[in-house]
Amino acid sequence: GESVGLHLPTLSVQEGDNSIINCAYSNSASDYFIWYKQESGKGPQFIIDIRSNMDKRQGQRVTVLLNKTVKHLSLQIAATQPGDSAVYFCAESTLANAGGTSYGKLTFGQGTILTVHP
Amino acid sequence: DAGITQSPRHKVTETGTPVTLRCHQTENHRYMYWYRQDPGHGLRLIHYSYGVKDTDKGEVSDGYSVSRSKTEDFLLTLESATSSQTSVYFCAISESGRQPQHFGDGTRLSIL
Repeated sequence: GESVGLHLPTLSVQEGDNSIINCAYSNSASDYFIWYKQESGKGPQFIIDIRSNMDKRQGQRVTVLLNKTVKHLSLQIAATQPGDSAVYFCAESTLANAGGTSYGKLTFGQGTILTVHP
Repeated sequence: DAGITQSPRHKVTETGTPVTLRCHQTENHRYMYWYRQDPGHGLRLIHYSYGVKDTDKGEVSDGYSVSRSKTEDFLLTLESATSSQTSVYFCAISESGRQPQHFGDGTRLSIL
């Protein structure tokens, strides 16, 4: 089946640096993408999303870039802080129909471990 | 934080026993989901619900059943637990089928 993967399983940065986490996806039918952050012992936390009609979206200290040509998205974190240390997942959403309704079926990547050193 | 409460947070049980996990939301969202998270597999969808009494299977639904009798509650049942069902289970909710899913903090289930 289709899957979402990550180029780098671990990333270590110094506090204050910018971080870039990459993700490749393989389903060309995916039209919605989400980044999640997961801290130890907690559930995934929504960070930012982007739809396929956009190639860039910015949030607070985070930017997501989408390149549909090469099926790649990235998460950029500006001025990384120790509190940003966590596992980051990307997820791709494909429209699925069931029971007379439609929903976005999410396929998750394995995650990248981000460690921020003070 | 999205108003999602999972219970219990931790459970240890024996093979062959029934187990029910509960997800309670205070957001009045239509969609609710159950996932399991295992090393090397990421998050995988077990079942989801798109309304009261409306549920459907996900990619790893064998051995699991669900029920949703109220908007706020989504129950996941393992009728006869097996060791392969040892995992961390997450509930998620979304306002619509094409909005971000928000997750609870999980239930760590160990089946001996």
